Amino acid sequence: EVQLLESGGDLVQPGGSLRLSCAASGFAFGDYAMSWVRQAPGKRLEWVSGISGSASIIKYADSVKGRFTISRDNSKYTLYLQMNSLRAEDTAIYYCAKKGPYSDNWSMYFDFWGQGTLVTVSS
Amino acid sequence: EIVLTQSPGTLSLSPGERATLSCRASQSVTNRYLAWYQQKPGQALRLLIYGASTRATGIPDRFSGSGSGTDFTLTITGLEPEDFALYYCQQYGTSPPYSFGQGTKLEIK
Repeated sequence: EVQLLESGGDLVQPGGSLRLSCAASGFAFGDYAMSWVRQAPGKRLEWVSGISGSASIIKYADSVKGRFTISRDNSKYTLYLQMNSLRAEDTAIYYCAKKGPYSDNWSMYFDFWGQGTLVTVSS
Repeated sequence: EIVLTQSPGTLSLSPGERATLSCRASQSVTNRYLAWYQQKPGQALRLLIYGASTRATGIPDRFSGSGSGTDFTLTITGLEPEDFALYYCQQYGTSPPYSFGQGTKLEIK
């Protein structure tokens, strides 16, 4: 059974940093691209960042480029999101999501999602 | 970036009825790369449909997807109590960022 479990969400002040983790199980983690997707209160889902299975290709949304860093440790079956220079508008539930097996390269849907971790940026 | 607009915002129906949810794109979605997800409070999003019309593994056949170009539909025939939830569409025909609809809430009438 595929499971994705996010952790690391917290209340942080503007300008602060936070690292999110996503522990994966039930599939060959290193074979699949992974993404972070967030949902701010009352807003639609927003794709944040993605990383290929080997970590050789990384992509970011413009809204987080230069502030967030995605990474993965395939030996630990874990995905990370380092978030720096946090802003109020980064307040959201952050989900990790697994690339669907029939997706083409970077045209991907997501076949499994975690339950999310809440990040609140406020003074 | 392609903008997805879902309608209606809220759909009130009774168990056993048929639900029709719409997702309209601001420009054509390449290769019908359109997915549908279900979200329930406190639960992970669940993939229902990908490629506009292919059911994901384990999804009951009362869920069906259709459409192409800019207009897509998720149909649920014979609503079960567990089907009342939030539904989102996502297009993935372009390189990231992928876009999502704002959601349709399916509620019990």
